[in-house]
Amino acid sequence: DTEVTQTPKHLVMGMTNKKSLKCEQHMGHRAMYWYKQKAKKPPELMFVYSYEKLSINESVPSRFSPECPNSSLLNLHLHALQPEDSALYLCASSHPNRNEQFFGPGTRLTVL
Amino acid sequence: GENVEQHPSTLSVQEGDSAVIKCTYSDSASNYFPWYKQELGKGPQLIIDIRSNVGEKKDQRIAVTLNKTAKHFSLHITETQPEDSAVYFCAASSGGGADGLTFGKGTHLIIQP
Repeated sequence: DTEVTQTPKHLVMGMTNKKSLKCEQHMGHRAMYWYKQKAKKPPELMFVYSYEKLSINESVPSRFSPECPNSSLLNLHLHALQPEDSALYLCASSHPNRNEQFFGPGTRLTVL
Repeated sequence: GENVEQHPSTLSVQEGDSAVIKCTYSDSASNYFPWYKQELGKGPQLIIDIRSNVGEKKDQRIAVTLNKTAKHFSLHITETQPEDSAVYFCAASSGGGADGLTFGKGTHLIIQP
């Protein structure tokens, strides 16, 4: 298996909802990443997990809560989001000793 | 932190011609420079990368060059085809792994038939 999968593909939520994004890989990668991509902009790093431990948090608001329950799974829990949080959320993974990052197709999030 | 500048923002070339996209970076500690292709509605796809100990790398119609002294690197696509139309991002990172990528703003490459 050489791909990163993300669910759901699309998500629409209200500002009071709680939802979660899921990312999965079975390439044996031990580093996983969340990026946010606004329309016509480049991806921006949010979080990095290395060996299931949070290693980088790019000063992301607490309404975004990442979780890495095991080496294959990465979640992003969402709560009390704002309309400006609407974006494509991308997950990526890599071998922790190598730089190549492989991205999933993303979850298109719309906050109403 | 790292800052990556990418030019041009839009590039239109005739099918069969070559395309060149250029990037500069600011952090001399950066040592890994990948290029991604992103098609509409999809995630970025790694197409080629280069490390700071290498000056040039080629993979079929795609090549990347790196000038460490000038802190710039370029993507070259030869014999362009309609399926090359996409947004291309350059990126940079430092460290041996598990480090985030800093992306350029992207180049929309349009291949005219």
